[in-house]
Amino acid sequence: GQQVMQIPQYQHVQEGEDFTTYCNSSTTLSNIQWYKQRPGGHPVFLIQLVKSGEVKKQKRLTFQFGEAKKNSSLHITATQTTDVGTYFCAGYSNSGYALNFGKGTSLLVTP
Amino acid sequence: EPEVTQTPSHQVTQMGQEVILRCVPISNHLYFYWYRQILGQKVEFLVSFYNNEISEKSEIFDDQFSVERPDGSNFTLKIRSTKLEDSAMYFCASSVIAGSGNTIYFGEGSWLTVV
Repeated sequence: GQQVMQIPQYQHVQEGEDFTTYCNSSTTLSNIQWYKQRPGGHPVFLIQLVKSGEVKKQKRLTFQFGEAKKNSSLHITATQTTDVGTYFCAGYSNSGYALNFGKGTSLLVTP
Repeated sequence: EPEVTQTPSHQVTQMGQEVILRCVPISNHLYFYWYRQILGQKVEFLVSFYNNEISEKSEIFDDQFSVERPDGSNFTLKIRSTKLEDSAMYFCASSVIAGSGNTIYFGEGSWLTVV
């Protein structure tokens, strides 16, 4: 079945440094979604990418979808302590009902 | 903003006991889901539910698990005979549509501890 992999598993940065997490799927994705989970919280939808090579920005966050639609990245510029949390990418199963999450990248930002 | 609500927020149960986790999805949503997250691990799909029947389930969702929509607002997950390895955060979620283009909204979770 489809597997979604993410690296790195953990990242510790100083406030103001940049951060990137990478997501790779074993199969071509129709779209990819990104979620953020704060410590002790629930996953919150950030964005969805659909088109090959698509790039979307949300303030300091930049999301990319690979040309082959098998990989994606999330880049945060000038991290802040409010960015702390685990960032998950997720892709839908072929049926469209199951969202398969990657293992996530836990970001720790030190002031 | 509408949200998915879950009860209880935390439940401790003895191994072998039955547990029912309750959820109220967002009112105009048609698709309902249960996911679980073992401490420190990824979010795992359990089951999706549409039009009063299961539309997809994962390998985790074995005969010990069942889901039900007993009335027009609640969506429940029942674990018949809990095991220690069922200890996890269980997230209910809902969406307007399914598949591509779909945004899933998660509840805050029910933390289940089996002792």
